[in-house]
Amino acid sequence: EPEVTQTPSHQVTQMGQEVILRCVPISNHLYFYWYRQILGQKVEFLVSFYNNEISEKSEIFDDQFSVERPDGSNFTLKIRSTKLEDSAMYFCASSSPTGVLQETQYFGPGTRLLVL
Amino acid sequence: GESVGLHLPTLSVQEGDNSIINCAYSNSASDYFIWYKQESGKGPQFIIDIRSNMDKRQGQRVTVLLNKTVKHLSLQIAATQPGDSAVYFCAENIWGGGNKLTFGTGTQLKVEL
Repeated sequence: EPEVTQTPSHQVTQMGQEVILRCVPISNHLYFYWYRQILGQKVEFLVSFYNNEISEKSEIFDDQFSVERPDGSNFTLKIRSTKLEDSAMYFCASSSPTGVLQETQYFGPGTRLLVL
Repeated sequence: GESVGLHLPTLSVQEGDNSIINCAYSNSASDYFIWYKQESGKGPQFIIDIRSNMDKRQGQRVTVLLNKTVKHLSLQIAATQPGDSAVYFCAENIWGGGNKLTFGTGTQLKVEL
């Protein structure tokens, strides 16, 4: 069964450093997403991406964040200058092989980011 | 404003019993709802979804009920098994509001042997 994969599973970084989180969405999906979950809290939407551009972003997704689809399979989230409060589990998701809205979003296993 | 909340943070059931996990939402414009299961250290796993033109939808051992009048959603798990132990989240989406999901705070389901 196709699944979303993410690398690395864990990332430790120093405050102010740049990190890139990587995702391989399900191959025939057209919508890609990043969510995050601070420990003990609910999952929060960060950004959605469709047709090579951001389709929606939350207030959390400020200028320190960027997303990219560098090739036909990878989808990345970059945090330019990490802050302590960026420590969280970051989930990638994908949906919509047909490009239709409100299709099931399938989540990856997550990358646990710890900023020291 | 948008909010999705769960009534009970923890639910303990005996193995073999039925489980009912509840969720309240406040945005009447929400028209697509999803239940996810999250095991420790893993990503949310899709269980079942329902659109606002339906009141009930059944899957394998799971049923989702939607009451739009009181803005309430429930997940019923039949014959609960130890493997069902996890945190369950409801999430909502609004047609025309993009594809973002708004998640509730989660209910921890504990299955006792």
